[in-house]
Amino acid sequence: GQSLEQPSEVTAVEGAIVQINCTYQTSGFYGLSWYQQHDGGAPTFLSYNGLDGLEETGRFSSFLSRSDSYGYLLLQELQMKDSASYFCAVRVYSGAGSYQLTFGKGTKLSVIP
Amino acid sequence: NAGVTQTPKFQVLKTGQSMTLQCAQDMNHNSMYWYRQDPGMGLRLIYYSASEGTTDKGEVPNGYNVSRLNKREFSLRLESAAPSQTSVYFCASSEHPRQTGGGTEAFFGQGTRLTVV
Repeated sequence: GQSLEQPSEVTAVEGAIVQINCTYQTSGFYGLSWYQQHDGGAPTFLSYNGLDGLEETGRFSSFLSRSDSYGYLLLQELQMKDSASYFCAVRVYSGAGSYQLTFGKGTKLSVIP
Repeated sequence: NAGVTQTPKFQVLKTGQSMTLQCAQDMNHNSMYWYRQDPGMGLRLIYYSASEGTTDKGEVPNGYNVSRLNKREFSLRLESAAPSQTSVYFCASSEHPRQTGGGTEAFFGQGTRLTVV
C-alpha cells in the first residue's frame, strides 16, 4: 500500500511564504501531485513533479526528491483566498497500464491578516 | 465542456437501502476513480478503472461495487447502505501519464453528499 504524511494544519500571515511538506512510502512511484480544496468544493490540481527538482507555476512551486521520498509545496505572497486544504497525492503504477492516485490526509492552511 | 459530472449532488438513504452514484466525463480520459472524503481522513480511494471493462480495488472497497459502463461512465453502487458510509463521494478522471509530461492532472466532479440514517 501507500502512505503519505503531511502536517494537519498550518497558519501563515498574508503576504508571507509557507511551505507544506509531504513524505511518502510506496512502491511503483510515478510522480507527486498537489491539489487545493476550498471548504465545500472539489479538489483542483495545482502542480505535478515526476522528476527531482522544482516546478514553478506563478505563486506556487513544488519540489520533489525521489531519493528522499519527499516533496513540498511552496506558496508565496500569500493571499486570503489561499486559505484552503492542500493535499499531496502519489501517482503509482499498479501494473497492466493502470495507475492509482492516492492522497494524503491534507493540510489545512489558514491565512491571517 | 462539462468535465466530470456526478449525480445526485445530495442523497439521504435509510440503512439497508441501495443506490448508485453516477459519474460521467467528457474529456476522453482512460482512468476514472471513486473517492470518499471524511473529516480528517483526506480522500480515500474506493475503486479505480484504467480503461473500459477494467476495475481495481483501492484502499476502502468493502461495501461498494463499481461498473465501468463505457469510457465515459463509471458508477459506484452501495448494495446495502450503512451509517458508516455517510460521506462525501468524489469521482475523478485523468489520462494515463505520458512520457512527454502530460496526463498528470486529475479532474474532479463536484461531489455527492450522502447521508445514511
